[in-house]
Amino acid sequence: GAGVSQSPRYKVAKRGQDVALRCDPISGHVSLFWYQQALGQGPEFLTYFQNEAQLDKSGLPSDRFFAERPEGSVSTLKIQRTQQEDSAVYLCASSSSRRQETQYFGPGTRLLVL
Amino acid sequence: ELKVEQNPLFLSMQEGKNYTIYCNYSTTSDRLYWYRQDPGKSLESLFVLLSNGAVKQEGRLMASLDTKARLSTLHITAAVHDLSATYFCAVNFGNEKLTFGTGTRLTIIP
Repeated sequence: GAGVSQSPRYKVAKRGQDVALRCDPISGHVSLFWYQQALGQGPEFLTYFQNEAQLDKSGLPSDRFFAERPEGSVSTLKIQRTQQEDSAVYLCASSSSRRQETQYFGPGTRLLVL
Repeated sequence: ELKVEQNPLFLSMQEGKNYTIYCNYSTTSDRLYWYRQDPGKSLESLFVLLSNGAVKQEGRLMASLDTKARLSTLHITAAVHDLSATYFCAVNFGNEKLTFGTGTRLTIIP
């Protein structure tokens, strides 16, 4: 595809619900990243995949957060038992395998937990 | 601790004026990125700076990197209204993930 796509673009969840956010990276991009951006802040790293391998999940804020990329392309970020503090924009980015490559960001999913 | 700091956080400038945004980072890196974000939108890549002394220019924006000082600058020349946005610098500290600055919200006033 032309760029990184994410769905849904907006999600409203009741506290305690589970949500799943999808990311389609740029075709052929090996690396995939998830970031969380709170209102008025810079994005913060959540997790990183190289192909299907999750190489870094140090930014996931709790064990309620889980990410997967089973076939090395599409990725899903799942949040279980959502809390109000999970409200944020979740950004996905992808890059090629070259070390110096730019990360290209998707439009984000805006999650509001009521 | 890996930190990236930007200043100013907010910048209001008149059209036609010049200004500079500063980005300091806490430890060695030779990979620094500048992004632009419009309200409610995602991040658009502006510049990639990969070595000491690197300078990149696109239109009215110019970015530079001094790895010894751990400093990057984004210079705006003769600002125009459509440059109004939030600008982020981001550093790769060697672990593939990006650490972002707090952002500089730029408003260009006619």
